[in-house]
Amino acid sequence: RKEVEQDPGPFNVPEGATVAFNCTYSNSASQSFFWYRQDCRKEPKLLMSVYSSGNEDGRFTAQLNRASQYISLLIRDSKLSDSATYLCVVRVSGGYNKLIFGAGTRLAVHP
Amino acid sequence: DAMVIQNPRYQVTQFGKPVTLSCSQTLNHNVMYWYQQKSSQAPKLLFHYYDKDFNNEADTPDNFQSRRPNTSFCFLDIRSPGLGDAAMYLCATNSGEGYEQYFGPGTRLTVT
Repeated sequence: RKEVEQDPGPFNVPEGATVAFNCTYSNSASQSFFWYRQDCRKEPKLLMSVYSSGNEDGRFTAQLNRASQYISLLIRDSKLSDSATYLCVVRVSGGYNKLIFGAGTRLAVHP
Repeated sequence: DAMVIQNPRYQVTQFGKPVTLSCSQTLNHNVMYWYQQKSSQAPKLLFHYYDKDFNNEADTPDNFQSRRPNTSFCFLDIRSPGLGDAAMYLCATNSGEGYEQYFGPGTRLTVT
């Protein structure tokens, strides 16, 4: 079983749509949670951290359910520029700030 | 200004011919990481350093070695590349205080 599991997609949505991605993680001792964005053939970049209380950054809302080991990302009013792969990431103990990445969910926003 | 630099961006090597990928950073971060990412897969951590303290992942093949001669530079050596080692290799850094990792643009390795 993968440590971080995501639906690979692709999610094909029109501009302006609301889209939600889900992620589950297997290590109950995971300490911190993030969403990274990766454009095609580019490096991953931090999109946002995910807090237990839920958090919002503009059109992006992230939620964490520790009991269910479940993380979500909601994107409202999708833009063409949101087209990318969204990686669910957890920080685990051991080492120095070790991150475990999901394989990502691909989003394609069309006009 | 580039903060995490990887050279070369594209590398072609022959089966079995040793290859070295390099990473440098201008962030003065304590922690440096090497990841392997194959197409449509998650970046997979190979090893990381806190300063000179080396941390190998249990499932990283012996074929992969790393060196960090100073804070700014870190190298990934693949001693005998196989076809299965063709991938994007990503270097990342972390300050050791916050959680964000800063990635370089990656080196895409082709093995012929």
